[in-house]
Amino acid sequence: GQNIDQPTEMTATEGAIVQINCTYQTSGFNGLFWYQQHAGEAPTFLSYNVLDGLEEKGRFSSFLSRSKGYSYLLLKELQMKDSASYLCAVKEAGNNRKLIWGLGTSLAVNP
Amino acid sequence: DGGITQSPKYLFRKEGQNVTLSCEQNLNHDAMYWYRQDPGQGLRLIYYSQIVNDFQKGDIAEGYSVSREKKESFPLTVTSAQKNPTAFYLCASSTNRGGEPQHFGDGTRLSIL
Repeated sequence: GQNIDQPTEMTATEGAIVQINCTYQTSGFNGLFWYQQHAGEAPTFLSYNVLDGLEEKGRFSSFLSRSKGYSYLLLKELQMKDSASYLCAVKEAGNNRKLIWGLGTSLAVNP
Repeated sequence: DGGITQSPKYLFRKEGQNVTLSCEQNLNHDAMYWYRQDPGQGLRLIYYSQIVNDFQKGDIAEGYSVSREKKESFPLTVTSAQKNPTAFYLCASSTNRGGEPQHFGDGTRLSIL
């Protein structure tokens, strides 16, 4: 079956580093996306990985291991505004453009 | 600026009433999607369309209907058959290129009176 697992909640301190993990089991793989969603708002795109390795974008980095069905999002120099839900989504292989979504990880950044 | 516009932001429905949620994009995207999000839940796909005049059911299509008569527009009708319509509805669009992300509108929050 298709399944994406993320921790439900995480807490971190302002200025620290946090790693949010995502493991997946899907019918084929054609890329993994990370989105950020603040409460009551729409998700916004953060990063995309299709090959193994680390993609860095400023304070945010995302890692992928296709053989392990594993990804993580790394947030550095945490700020209060980083308090949000972080969604992992996997694109299935094939012609359909559907994404399989995880339930999201709610991150609370404390002062 | 290009983007996705959903309207209205808040919508109230009476029992037994159909309502239509609007979604318009000027990003020239071929694919469009409708999701439903319940509190503390992930995104669940209702319908999606990869090209004009064609659409497919997602995971929870029962009680919903869509049309895709124009590339820019993908309205969602929540029918009276949908017994639990209270939710946050999100519209998204994307190109059909592999690594391109879906871009989301600001959402419509639907409540039952």
